[in-house]
Amino acid sequence: EDKVVQSPLSLVVHEGDTVTLNCSYEVTNFRSLLWYKQEKKAPTFLFMLTSSGIEKKSGRLSSILDKKELFSILNITATQTGDSAIYLCAVEEGIQGAQKLVFGQGTRLTINP
Amino acid sequence: SQTIHQWPATLVQPVGSPLSLECTVEGTSNPNLYWYRQAAGRGLQLLFYSVGIGQISSEVPQNLSASRPQDRQFILSSKKLLLSDSGFYLCAWSQPPILATEAFFGQGTRLTVV
Repeated sequence: EDKVVQSPLSLVVHEGDTVTLNCSYEVTNFRSLLWYKQEKKAPTFLFMLTSSGIEKKSGRLSSILDKKELFSILNITATQTGDSAIYLCAVEEGIQGAQKLVFGQGTRLTINP
Repeated sequence: SQTIHQWPATLVQPVGSPLSLECTVEGTSNPNLYWYRQAAGRGLQLLFYSVGIGQISSEVPQNLSASRPQDRQFILSSKKLLLSDSGFYLCAWSQPPILATEAFFGQGTRLTVV
């Protein structure tokens, strides 16, 4: 059974701290790994990773994929209260023409001022 | 540009009543379409996905069904709702890849079964 596991499930830190969110996966026919941020309703896209060892960066957020060890991390530096959200990891898997996105259970991140 | 519409935004239904949630995508053709359910504070559970008209794959056996009567229309249904069907339902689409692409989400439907 395909699965995507995120840790921790919940994290509370102070503004200015750096956090690392983890995502491990076991899927057949891996295609890509994606990170989303969900604040209220629809998740918004952060990163898509397809190659090992290549860091993707956007402002204070960065992410990297390890396809050998089957995991990814999402780093947020100098956190702000606006970073409070559920962070979702998803893996696109499947053969051509039958791809699907499998999500982890999410990490609820709370940034306290 | 592509847009995704999902309605209604909120719904309160009695146990045993039917359900129909609709999702449409504009600005693209032959998208992959998905229905997810999210329990409070949790990740997204894939319910159904479709790679073409009339092609539906079910991930979790349950009280719900899905249909894709048109290329850009995806419908989530139930004949008789259960209390456990309450949750936040999200429709999403992605472009079938040569390269993998992100998924784009609708604004969701919060369903409360009473």
